[in-house]
Amino acid sequence: DVELVESGGTLVKPGGSLRLSCVASGFTFSNYAMNWVRQAPGKGLEWVSYITSGGSFSYHADSLKGRFTVSRDNGKNSLYLQMNSLTVDDTAVYYCAREGDGSGSYSDYWGQGTLVTVSS
Amino acid sequence: SHELTQPPSVSVSPGQTVSITCSGDILGSKYTCWYQQKPGRSPVLVIYEDNKRPSGIPERFSGSNSGTTATLTISGTQAVDEADYYCQAWDSSTQVIFGGGTKLTVL
Repeated sequence: DVELVESGGTLVKPGGSLRLSCVASGFTFSNYAMNWVRQAPGKGLEWVSYITSGGSFSYHADSLKGRFTVSRDNGKNSLYLQMNSLTVDDTAVYYCAREGDGSGSYSDYWGQGTLVTVSS
Repeated sequence: SHELTQPPSVSVSPGQTVSITCSGDILGSKYTCWYQQKPGRSPVLVIYEDNKRPSGIPERFSGSNSGTTATLTISGTQAVDEADYYCQAWDSSTQVIFGGGTKLTVL
């Protein structure tokens, strides 16, 4: 079965940095693009970033203003999100999600999420 | 940038049919997908490429996309369908957007 397990969420002070990880299993990780999506407490879903299957191309939400960087290590079946210059508005549950292999944009499997809390 | 607009809430009686809309000027040229999210749980894909159901999603879930509006329809709504529903589409070749979400209440 497909499984995505995020980790790395914790309490961090404003201005700090954090790296999230997501370990994939149950499918050939190197064949799939991946996404990070976040959800602030009581709010809706917000797309964060996308990376192609080989890692050659990545895209991030314009609203992040270049503070976040997605990467992957296909040899370790792992996806990462480096987050810098964190603000209280970055407080959210961060999900990694597998991009479907059809047309359009959709995520067919999601992890359980990891909570990032930015507070002084 | 573009937006996808959903009604904040919709209610339905058990056994009835309910439609949740997602409006945006990009939708006519983009595939749309829909997620269901129950409290404290991760989102679950229920419709992709406008009208396709993933394996394991009941047939009562269907989708359409016409012009500037995508629609998720649940026929014979059950109490277990009570959840938040989100639409999603590519805004451009490099940006993905979500609708604000619709809380479905089964009365």
